[in-house]
Amino acid sequence: DAMVIQNPRYQVTQFGKPVTLSCSQTLNHNVMYWYQQKSSQAPKLLFHYYDKDFNNEADTPDNFQSRRPNTSFCFLDIRSPGLGDAAMYLCATSGGTSGSSIRHEQYFGPGTRLTVT
Amino acid sequence: AQSVTQLGSHVSVSEGALVLLRCNYSSSVPPYLFWYVQYPNQGLQLLLKYTTGATLVKGINGFEAEFKKSETSFHLTKPSAHMSDAAEYFCAVSDVTGGGNKLTFGTGTQLKVEL
Repeated sequence: DAMVIQNPRYQVTQFGKPVTLSCSQTLNHNVMYWYQQKSSQAPKLLFHYYDKDFNNEADTPDNFQSRRPNTSFCFLDIRSPGLGDAAMYLCATSGGTSGSSIRHEQYFGPGTRLTVT
Repeated sequence: AQSVTQLGSHVSVSEGALVLLRCNYSSSVPPYLFWYVQYPNQGLQLLLKYTTGATLVKGINGFEAEFKKSETSFHLTKPSAHMSDAAEYFCAVSDVTGGGNKLTFGTGTQLKVEL
């Protein structure tokens, strides 16, 4: 089945130690998103890639970076994790052409729960 | 900017009872509206969506929602709750940003189903 895959599902890192979260998709969608979801809160968009074009949300901290080496993969890098970065990180994708209704439909992966010690 | 408001952070129903989760939106343009469900330690699963056309939309697991422009609402309903429906439900509105789209979520409603 076509899907969005996130690895690992659970990640523990130390305060200040760089960490990378991975997302892959078999949907061949051209847009990939990263959301941060803190406990008991709604997901919040960090950034997204439209093909190779990177789009950062204005309030996303510089500590968060992303890479998309090809259509299928996208990575979230946290350069110096703080205790406040502990959260569920959700990857999502969408397809279709710009302006189409399909573009608005996002498919989510299972998430990576990040713990910072 | 578009936004959604979910009334009631926690809703409790008996098994077999009607489920009603409320969502109101604010948008200056015709909205694209979604309901997602999230089980513990899982990602978000799309329940249903409203884009254009029929205002009553049916989704998975017996859920449906009605888009009411006059009331700026998109409430989620299910005639008969099942224990497996216990989860967190998010209403969301989609907006264009960059080359993609930004989902703005409500604060979520935790649904509890009791025997």
